[in-house]
Amino acid sequence: AQSVTQPDIHITVSEGASLELRCNYSYGATPYLFWYVQSPGQGLQLLLKYFSGDTLVQGIKGFEAEFKRSQSSFNLRKPSVHWSDAAEYFCAVGGPGSARQLTFGSGTQLTVLP
Amino acid sequence: DAGVIQSPRHEVTEMGQEVTLRCKPISGHDYLFWYRQTMMRGLELLIYFNNNVPIDDSGMPEDRFSAKMPNASFSTLKIQPSEPRDSAVYFCASRVAGQGATEQFFGPGTRLTVL
Repeated sequence: AQSVTQPDIHITVSEGASLELRCNYSYGATPYLFWYVQSPGQGLQLLLKYFSGDTLVQGIKGFEAEFKRSQSSFNLRKPSVHWSDAAEYFCAVGGPGSARQLTFGSGTQLTVLP
Repeated sequence: DAGVIQSPRHEVTEMGQEVTLRCKPISGHDYLFWYRQTMMRGLELLIYFNNNVPIDDSGMPEDRFSAKMPNASFSTLKIQPSEPRDSAVYFCASRVAGQGATEQFFGPGTRLTVL
């Protein structure tokens, strides 16, 4: 069965600092991987996704993620965090078949200090 | 497109009452998913439909929960009778069929409080 682990429940960074959110997955085949962001009271918005090709994926809002098969990781990065990036971030793996059911990690809450 | 639409955005009800949550997926999307989000359990998939047909309802917690999709543009999630432990945010999402990493588009959610 597929699973996703986000080991950091809460991360605090200063505005302008770099950010890395960790994500490890367990999946038997080539994974479909996603990062979503959830602002308070809002739904989930896709930041970026990976299935194949270049292992460094660019997303919206200046985010990127790197797929590392050997480490079963798909970490999210941003070189300079803005106060508006404060939100909860979810990593997800898409299952087999055309449905691509998503299994989500438990999320990482990001706080940005001024 | 307006995106995935959910109603109501907030629902407060008393234990034992029937609750109906509504979802309008993005036009042309083949799959519809219902999720529940709680602090304790995170985001859980409850059920999903393909072309209006329920495919996997293994995530539905109890018989008190039921979901329907009478047509391609409307789905409901019903809880009858509701209990305080059903309090959560319920999300609807939709996506197109096809290969590759096609994404799910999420609605804004319905925050349910059962007193």
